[in-house]
Amino acid sequence: GDSVTQMEGPVTLSEEAFLTINCTYTATGYPSLFWYVQYPGEGLQLLLKATKADDKGSNKGFEATYRKETTSFHLEKGSVQVSDSAVYFCALRLNTGGFKTIFGAGTRLFVKA
Amino acid sequence: GAVVSQHPSRVICKSGTSVKIECRSLDFQATTMFWYRQFPKQSLMLMATSNEGSKATYEQGVEKDKFLINHASLTLSTLTVTSAHPEDSSFYICSAGGRRNTEAFFGQGTRLTVV
Repeated sequence: GDSVTQMEGPVTLSEEAFLTINCTYTATGYPSLFWYVQYPGEGLQLLLKATKADDKGSNKGFEATYRKETTSFHLEKGSVQVSDSAVYFCALRLNTGGFKTIFGAGTRLFVKA
Repeated sequence: GAVVSQHPSRVICKSGTSVKIECRSLDFQATTMFWYRQFPKQSLMLMATSNEGSKATYEQGVEKDKFLINHASLTLSTLTVTSAHPEDSSFYICSAGGRRNTEAFFGQGTRLTVV
């Protein structure tokens, strides 16, 4: 079935370090891919998305490229800040109608000053 | 992006009572709404999908008589947790999508605590 696998956390980094959170997916067809961020005690916010192969989503210094050949959508940021501490969810949505979204398990990121 | 408002953000209720959570799309018509449940430090689990004017479709293992979902209008869906028990304590999140949207938008979530 359709699924999303992302690296287990927590990930702990120092401020200004480079961040990578790996995400791979399994899906029939050609899904749209998303990264969502959840700050403590809050709901989900869309961070970035990509709707087709080789698209790069970017927002707030975060980037992810839709790699069809490796079925991956890894999240990267060149220099993290303390305010980036949150839980990050990789997700996919099949483009067969509807908006059902399948989420990965989430990766908790801690950034130390 | 479009705005989805979820209310209340936090609720504490006594065991055995019922709690209603509202999910509203503020600036678009939501033809489809989803309800998710999130346990501490875990991912979101889809509970049910509702299309405006029709009965909700529940995921396997979700009790439809316990988690009543109503999607009576294009801007409002409600989730009622009936006869709540402490194990129902969780974070509930809705999302909504409309005909002109290419993605679903999420509410802020509701933290339910049953005491």
